Amino acid sequence: AIQLTQSPSSLSASIGDRVSFSCRASQAISSALAWYQQKPGKPPKLLIYDASRLAGGVPSRFSGSGFGTEFTLTISGLQPEDLATYYCQQFNSYPPLTFGGGTQVDIK
Amino acid sequence: QVQLVQSGGGLVKPGGSLRLSCEASGFDFSDTWMNWVRQAPGKGLEWISYISSTGSTTQYADSVQGRFTVSRDNAKNSVFLQMNSLRADDTAVYYCAKDKGDYSVFDYWGQGALVTVSS
Repeated sequence: AIQLTQSPSSLSASIGDRVSFSCRASQAISSALAWYQQKPGKPPKLLIYDASRLAGGVPSRFSGSGFGTEFTLTISGLQPEDLATYYCQQFNSYPPLTFGGGTQVDIK
Repeated sequence: QVQLVQSGGGLVKPGGSLRLSCEASGFDFSDTWMNWVRQAPGKGLEWISYISSTGSTTQYADSVQGRFTVSRDNAKNSVFLQMNSLRADDTAVYYCAKDKGDYSVFDYWGQGALVTVSS
């Protein structure tokens, strides 16, 4: 199974900051990566798919990049409502579909 | 609008069984693959199963293979997860999730159902 490693596991940033975090795949997965946002007590929400395509209704401050084994999710101008845990998921080789361990974003 | 409404969670003893349901609306259910994803308390997400639009293809994570069975009733716009031989490490919130179709990602999720396996 393809393993996804997210870093950092948590970060703290101020409103308005540009924040980025990483997802590394154990083998090349082309652009077959998605990002989800999960707020406490809620189901995940799809943000990005195919590494850089924005899902419907997602604010343009979210962007994704990467190819192969290295991927990045960037929030350009952190907002209070962005407090959440962010997960990456690969869909290049399955089953199983796999998720990273998550990056928790706190607001300073 | 797309909705996935889950039911069926609860407390069950080790070795017991439970069936989760997920009723869909707002999209062409009979043309959509569906998934189950779970999240143990305080932990990350784990994909556990998918089923094709017709039900002819199913797959499972190794952790549930042989114990869980996914099925669907397209006439009732519903997908099910039958969980047998439950163990303490199956304790989690279980989500049904709609497959986006052109990509194997999950564009809509149910509200989740808590399954607690404890004596």
